[in-house]
Amino acid sequence: GENVEQHPSTLSVQEGDSAVIKCTYSDSASNYFPWYKQELGKRPQLIIDIRSNVGEKKDQRIAVTLNKTAKHFSLHITETQPEDSAVYYCAAQVGGNSGGGADGLTFGKGTHLIIQP
Amino acid sequence: NAGVTQTPKFQVLKTGQSMTLQCAQDMNHNSMYWYRQDPGMGLRLIYYSASEGTTDKGEVPNGYNVSRLNKREFSLRLESAAPSQTSVYFCASSVARGRTEAFFGQGTRLTVV
Repeated sequence: GENVEQHPSTLSVQEGDSAVIKCTYSDSASNYFPWYKQELGKRPQLIIDIRSNVGEKKDQRIAVTLNKTAKHFSLHITETQPEDSAVYYCAAQVGGNSGGGADGLTFGKGTHLIIQP
Repeated sequence: NAGVTQTPKFQVLKTGQSMTLQCAQDMNHNSMYWYRQDPGMGLRLIYYSASEGTTDKGEVPNGYNVSRLNKREFSLRLESAAPSQTSVYFCASSVARGRTEAFFGQGTRLTVV
């Protein structure tokens, strides 16, 4: 099955600086790569996603890049703010109509992002 | 619009007891999922239901059973709870299999003593 590795496990940055979280995946059939943000005691919520036919996607201060050849994708947050402090999860999913097989998202173990004032 | 609703929010069980975690979504989604979240382990898929009437095992299914009661509801049952099943459980749903956003419930914090 799919295996997703996420680094670093903890990331501390100064407010206003950029943060980068990196993930690798193992199954070349994966074609959907979402990122979730989870604040303490809350549910995970999607912040951005990318599909395999796209190399980069941006949404205001957040961007995700995908390198299918190398099987890695990254989350970039610019101009970090205190409200960005949370745990971030990357995930990968094999296409739903790819002939059965595993369904659901495979998550990385998470990155605790700390924004220092 | 409630989204994905889980009950209960908190539960304490004794080893060997059984219980059912309930999940319902009102977004007319086809696919539903159960995950468990443990410190340092991320979210791991227990079972999923790609569509009404079907269920399949995920990464960590041992000790659990599921029922897709109808399109809205997907329950998770622990037949004989063990301390290793102490975790936070999340139900999620998505429009369809693959390549679509999964919406999560608020979670159930389960402690088995």
